[in-house]
Order: sequence, then structure tokens, then C-alpha cells
Amino acid sequence: GQSLEQPSEVTAVEGAIVQINCTYQTSGFYGLSWYQQHDGGAPTFLSYNALDGLEETGRFSSFLSRSDSYGYLLLQELQMKDSASYFCAVSSNSGYSTLTFGKGTMLLVSP
Amino acid sequence: DTAVSQTPKYLVTQMGNDKSIKCEQNLGHDTMYWYKQDSKKFLKIMFSYNNKELIINETVPNRFSPKSPDKAHLNLHINSLELGDSAVYFCASGITGLDEKLFFGSGTQLSVL
Repeated sequence: GQSLEQPSEVTAVEGAIVQINCTYQTSGFYGLSWYQQHDGGAPTFLSYNALDGLEETGRFSSFLSRSDSYGYLLLQELQMKDSASYFCAVSSNSGYSTLTFGKGTMLLVSP
Repeated sequence: DTAVSQTPKYLVTQMGNDKSIKCEQNLGHDTMYWYKQDSKKFLKIMFSYNNKELIINETVPNRFSPKSPDKAHLNLHINSLELGDSAVYFCASGITGLDEKLFFGSGTQLSVL
């Protein structure tokens, strides 16, 4: 089976930097994705890492270490609108490619 | 134009009823999904279809029956609704095997009374 662990909640202030960690256990690992979901909204894709290293997209960066089964999402210059839930998800091939989500990290950004 | 659209957005019904949720995507993707998000926000995959063929059925009760008339549509029919079916149901589409980027519909909040 697959399992993912991420913190349930993180708080930070505007302008700060926050890192949301994700560890996973899976067989047939393809890659690690991150999704953002605002209250009442749909999950939206943020990033995908298939190879080790850091991927940067604007204020958001995502990191993967396949050997450690670990990744993180780094959010810089936090804004109030970044308050949302952030999900890591693993892609794996158990016959067919599947995407399994972690339980989500609620990020609260305060003034 | 909405990429993945699902209807209705809200569904309130009585136990024992049968209901359907419709989903359409105009992205040309081959793969479509249904996910269930419970009150604790846990997103769990229910079904995956690739080119109208069922790929994944994750231990979902057979009261749930997906139907894909073509690769742009994946509807979800639920028979004999139970209280525990109350959740938000998300349709999604994507191209697996590449960047695994899924596009989600806006969700259907199902409340079973």
C-alpha cells in the first residue's frame, strides 16, 4: 500500500517562509506532487517532482529526495491568500498509474 | 471555458434515494477520476477511467457506479444513499505518466439526511 505523512497544521506570518514536509512509503514510485486547496474550493496543481532536487515556480518551490522518500513544499514571501490546505501526493504504478494524496496541511497565514 | 465541470454543486437528499453527478472535461485528457473528500479533508480516489475503460476501483461499495459514455465524460451514479456517503465528490482529469497533473472540477457537496 501507500502512505504519506505531512503535518496537519502550520502557522506563519505574512512575509515569512514556511516549509511543509512530506514523507511517503510506496512501491513503484513515479513522482511527488503538491496541490493547494482553499476552503470550499477545488484542489489545484502546484508542482511535480519526478527527479531529485528543487523545482522553483515563483514564490513556491518543491524538493524531492527519492532515496529518503521525502519531499517538501517551500512557500516564500507568504501572503494572506496563501492560507489554504496543501496536499502532497505520490504517483505510483501498481499496474496503472495512480495518484494518492496525503491528509493535507492546513496553512494559516496571519498579519 | 471551464476545463472540468461537474454538476450539481450541491446535492441534498434523503437516505435510500438514488442520485447522479455529472462530469465533463474539455481538455482532451484520456484519464478521468472520481475522488471523495470527507469531513477531515482526506482525498481518496474512488475510480479511474482511461479512454472509457475502468482502470481503478478502490474498494468502493457497488452502490457507486461510474459510467463513461466517452472519454470526455465520467458520471457517477449512487444507489440507496447512506448517511456515510455525505462528502464532497471531485471529478478530475489528467494525463498520467507525464507530469501527473490533475485538473479538478469544483466539487459536488452531497448531504444525505
